[in-house]
Amino acid sequence: KAGVTQTPRYLIKTRGQQVTLSCSPISGHRSVSWYQQTPGQGLQFLFEYFSETQRNKGNFPGRFSGRQFSNSRSEMNVSTLELGDSALYLCASSSLPHTGDEQFFGPGTRLTVL
Amino acid sequence: DAKTTQPPSMDCAEGRAANLPCNHSTISGNEYVYWYRQIHSQGPQYIIHGLKNNETNEMASLIITEDRKSSTLILPHATLRDTAVYYCIVRVSGNTGKLIFGQGTTLQVKP
Repeated sequence: KAGVTQTPRYLIKTRGQQVTLSCSPISGHRSVSWYQQTPGQGLQFLFEYFSETQRNKGNFPGRFSGRQFSNSRSEMNVSTLELGDSALYLCASSSLPHTGDEQFFGPGTRLTVL
Repeated sequence: DAKTTQPPSMDCAEGRAANLPCNHSTISGNEYVYWYRQIHSQGPQYIIHGLKNNETNEMASLIITEDRKSSTLILPHATLRDTAVYYCIVRVSGNTGKLIFGQGTTLQVKP
């Protein structure tokens, strides 16, 4: 099976712009989660989607949003970018709600905000 | 906040066993212990998980104490490629994909 794919892998934006990141889960996986990783805060949970519905949301401002499509692919959007949004954004998929629900992570999208 | 406590760093000689401890004194009865690792700039990788019995797979062994308040991940024959940050996470299985990461343990395997 192909793994979790994320596009683009690298992105440079300027403050005030918006950005959309894409995640394609492993075939058959319906659960997709997003994480932000920065040197200062480590890995932080952003949100989780299951069957096109947001199930969980982390403690991030409303500028961070996401959605999931009927084919389980997911996108996350960050509006009005700030310098502090520079981070590695990771997507993970799993076979929830089935047992053996380990999360499979993609390689991430490295976002730099100038 | 993470519900686990791990040492920030550890060293291990190549070919020797690496034993990574984790404290989770407030773990609930229905929470599992999961271990992930993250090699530099890659996405985290699932290693193993368990509820109360010891578990072993092709990557590692997980030893959970009888009171379930702590556990140890064992890499039986560490290689240089095992150098990574190792995260211990407690969560309910089959409920949500949400993972709460702590700071983890940076394992340095040395030749």
